[in-house]
Amino acid sequence: DTAVSQTPKYLVTQMGNDKSIKCEQNLGHDTMYWYKQDSKKFLKIMFSYNNKELIINETVPNRFSPKSPDKAHLNLHINSLELGDSAVYFCASWDRTSGAREQFFGPGTRLTVL
Amino acid sequence: AQSVTQLGSHVSVSEGALVLLRCNYSSSVPPYLFWYVQYPNQGLQLLLKYTSAATLVKGINGFEAEFKKSETSFHLTKPSAHMSDAAEYFCAVSLNYGGATNKLIFGTGTLLAVQP
Repeated sequence: DTAVSQTPKYLVTQMGNDKSIKCEQNLGHDTMYWYKQDSKKFLKIMFSYNNKELIINETVPNRFSPKSPDKAHLNLHINSLELGDSAVYFCASWDRTSGAREQFFGPGTRLTVL
Repeated sequence: AQSVTQLGSHVSVSEGALVLLRCNYSSSVPPYLFWYVQYPNQGLQLLLKYTSAATLVKGINGFEAEFKKSETSFHLTKPSAHMSDAAEYFCAVSLNYGGATNKLIFGTGTLLAVQP
């Protein structure tokens, strides 16, 4: 059973297009995240949602719009894709009620903008 | 502000040799520290975590890390490297947002190569 899953695994698209990445977790966690890993492997948080409410927005361009239809899902929609958006995007989840701090990551979505 | 610094972007060891990956942290409060591993084209897997219960933390796959407050370090070690340990390793510190959420601040990663 996959704990945190993302679709698609690979996404290749042209500049200017709009695309979405989906994330689902079956851990029962109430907090979910999007992280971006750039070409140098540097990982940085983009968004955090707690029970469908946006808690963290790390000055991400408003072309990126996360949407959480319920606490098990957090999708990422990107408008007007740019070359610099090419990266690996990781979804993660956290159990806020557990007292532990570790986050559980999905397998990543490699986005390539041509 | 909380941060982590990983010394050495590439580390190469021989199979069977000691693995030492360095991480230093900066935190104004007692830190929660983590080591994650990323195998090629895969997601991040938690290796181990420090949450103030014990300074020597044992993780999966024979890895362990020691929290040293005096040195602000949380170095990762494994006595004997295996070929399957070749991966990217990330040190991270957790920043709390008043209980509403927390975010992980990652180091720049260390790529471990294991030579036969």
